[in-house]
Amino acid sequence: GAVVSQHPSRVICKSGTSVKIECRSLDFQATTMFWYRQFPKQSLMLMATSNEGSKATYEQGVEKDKFLINHASLTLSTLTVTSAHPEDSSFYICSAYPLAGLYYGTQYFGPGTRLLVL
Amino acid sequence: GENVEQHPSTLSVQEGDSAVIKCTYSDSASNYFPWYKQELGKGPQLIIDIRSNVGEKKDQRIAVTLNKTAKHFSLHITETQPEDSAVYFCAADSGGGADGLTFGKGTHLIIQP
Repeated sequence: GAVVSQHPSRVICKSGTSVKIECRSLDFQATTMFWYRQFPKQSLMLMATSNEGSKATYEQGVEKDKFLINHASLTLSTLTVTSAHPEDSSFYICSAYPLAGLYYGTQYFGPGTRLLVL
Repeated sequence: GENVEQHPSTLSVQEGDSAVIKCTYSDSASNYFPWYKQELGKGPQLIIDIRSNVGEKKDQRIAVTLNKTAKHFSLHITETQPEDSAVYFCAADSGGGADGLTFGKGTHLIIQP
C-alpha cells in the first residue's frame, strides 16, 4: 500500500536549537502534504498544509516563523521547529495526499516523529 | 470551522462482542469521513472511510454508517479480537480527503479476553 516515511522517528534536543523533520511519500507523488501535532493522550491537530512549490498554509494559532515548512518536491516535505522550547515537545505526524493513481482519494499518514525538548 | 465530537472516550468489550463508536460533525459541507486506528507510539492507520454519497460501507468485520441529515457517522466492529485494542479516531473533511482533517478526540477500545 501507500507508504509515508518520517525521519527521524524520535529526537531529543536542547532548548533553543532547531530541529528538522522529513516526510517522504515512498511509492506515490503527493500533491499536498499535511503536518499534524499530537500531545500525549490527545487527538491530532492540523498545523499546516503544504503544496509543492507553494508557501504553506498555517492553521490559526500556529506560528509560521516557528514551524518552517518546505515542500520542495512531490515526494518530500520538511518541518523545521526553530528555537525549540519544552512546550514544543510533541508527536509530529505528516500525511500525504496522492497526486493520482491507485492511492488517489485519501491521505496516508507517516509513523510520526517524537520530539523531546530539554 | 468543522467540529467533530466522538463518543465514548473509552469502550471496553468482551472478546467476540461488537463495538460501536459514534461521531457527530458540525459542517454540512463535510463530505469525507475516515476512521483511523492508532497504536501506542505509531502513526494513525486508515481502517475504513466513507464519502457523503454513500450511507454504509463494510469491509470484513468493520463497517461505517453515515447519516448526513443528522450529521453523524459510526464505526462498527464485529467479532472483536485482542488485536483490535487501540485508540480509534474519526475525522471529517470537506475536500473529499484532499483537505486537512478535523479529528475527534479518540476512543480507547479495550478488548477483554
